[in-house]
Amino acid sequence: QVQLQESGPGLVKPSETLSLTCAVSGYSISSGYYWGWIRQPPGKGLEWIGSIYHSGSTYYNPSLKSRVTISVDTSKNQFSLKLSSVTAADTAVYYCARPGDGYSHGIFDYWGQGTLVTVSS
Amino acid sequence: DIQMTQSPSSLSASVGDRVTITCQASQDISNYLNWYQQKPGKAPKLLIYDASNLETGVPSRFSGSGSGTDFTFTISSLQPEDIATYYCQQYDNPALTFGGGTKVEIK
Repeated sequence: QVQLQESGPGLVKPSETLSLTCAVSGYSISSGYYWGWIRQPPGKGLEWIGSIYHSGSTYYNPSLKSRVTISVDTSKNQFSLKLSSVTAADTAVYYCARPGDGYSHGIFDYWGQGTLVTVSS
Repeated sequence: DIQMTQSPSSLSASVGDRVTITCQASQDISNYLNWYQQKPGKAPKLLIYDASNLETGVPSRFSGSGSGTDFTFTISSLQPEDIATYYCQQYDNPALTFGGGTKVEIK
């Protein structure tokens, strides 16, 4: 069964770079699918950050594109998110996700449990 | 970007009631529309994909319809375990977008 697990610092200082990793088990990233990052500020709705294909091609949310980098490490079967120049507005639960078996890129059926990242000095 | 306008933002209904949520896209997205359920402290769960397809294992009281710009999500008979926030999400455009969410409560 496909499982995703986010990890990374829970506290990041303003203006610094937020870095998270999503470890994947039960499926080899190099076998396919777009792998995504989605976030949710406390008490607010969901926002897609971006997605990466196993080959490395990426799609980013235009509103975050200038600050986001998503990369994949097939040797470790994980993919990562970097968000630069963070502010308090980037405080959120960050989820990694994958489409369901045989589903198109935008149908997220597998989700990590989420990790809260707080931006504060 | 494609904007997704979801309404209402919240609703209160009795157990057994029929509940309807709407989602409107700012442009034609064909049927590239999904519905998720999110309970507090949990990751979203896919309920409906491609506007009207019920995800495996999801109770049949959940359904979806629509195409183009106007979509509807229905719970035919609200159950206590359906208390959650529901989100629509489009994937016609590579830049995916979610609706603002509908919080469903029991009256």
